[in-house]
Amino acid sequence: SQQGEEDPQALSIQEGENATMNCSYKTSINNLQWYRQNSGRGLVHLILIRSNEREKHSGRLRVTLDTSKKSSSLLITASRAADTASYFCATAKTGGGADGLTFGKGTHLIIQP
Amino acid sequence: GAVVSQHPSRVICKSGTSVKIECRSLDFQATTMFWYRQFPKKSLMLMATSNEGSKATYEQGVEKDKFLINHASLTLSTLTVTSAHPEDSSFYICSARERTGEAGANVLTFGAGSRLTVL
Repeated sequence: SQQGEEDPQALSIQEGENATMNCSYKTSINNLQWYRQNSGRGLVHLILIRSNEREKHSGRLRVTLDTSKKSSSLLITASRAADTASYFCATAKTGGGADGLTFGKGTHLIIQP
Repeated sequence: GAVVSQHPSRVICKSGTSVKIECRSLDFQATTMFWYRQFPKKSLMLMATSNEGSKATYEQGVEKDKFLINHASLTLSTLTVTSAHPEDSSFYICSARERTGEAGANVLTFGAGSRLTVL
């Protein structure tokens, strides 16, 4: 079963606007990660936030984590057409490094030029 | 940064044949690689964990005799879809974690994926 559930499933905004995607998960986590996937390609790691962190920034990305609500959000500011992609949150089944990540269903983001 | 190469990117085969997909870590060693399957507009489903020098660990519901995984070296894992059928058509993606990666972080580097079409 999927650990993470993103919403919305699809999001279309105008270039320059901010895009916010949310993710909920069910079990305890060591960290939560966000990945991006361009159509028909592999995934690219964007950002990781640890369970003891509440907010993290990386360039135009801002991630928040609320462990009490088991939810995370990814904000992309000043969106660009090149940001069009699917975005997935991912969690590890345990805190160890040998486990594969479990991915949510993803949010398909479309940036209209 | 870490790079994972996956080949072939696309493969079309006849029903009943076997197809091998390779996953290589180009500039780092990976004792563990992961194989995922993705259906159109769906999430990634973890199929199995490939362990260098030992048997792969399969997720529940994944047929190990159908999806053979071999991890013969620290830089190469292969997935062989045996006796492929049209329902095996999918996008298969491998990933790896650097051995020297941040402890406990479990950040994965993904290959570009292989699209399998079984006729």
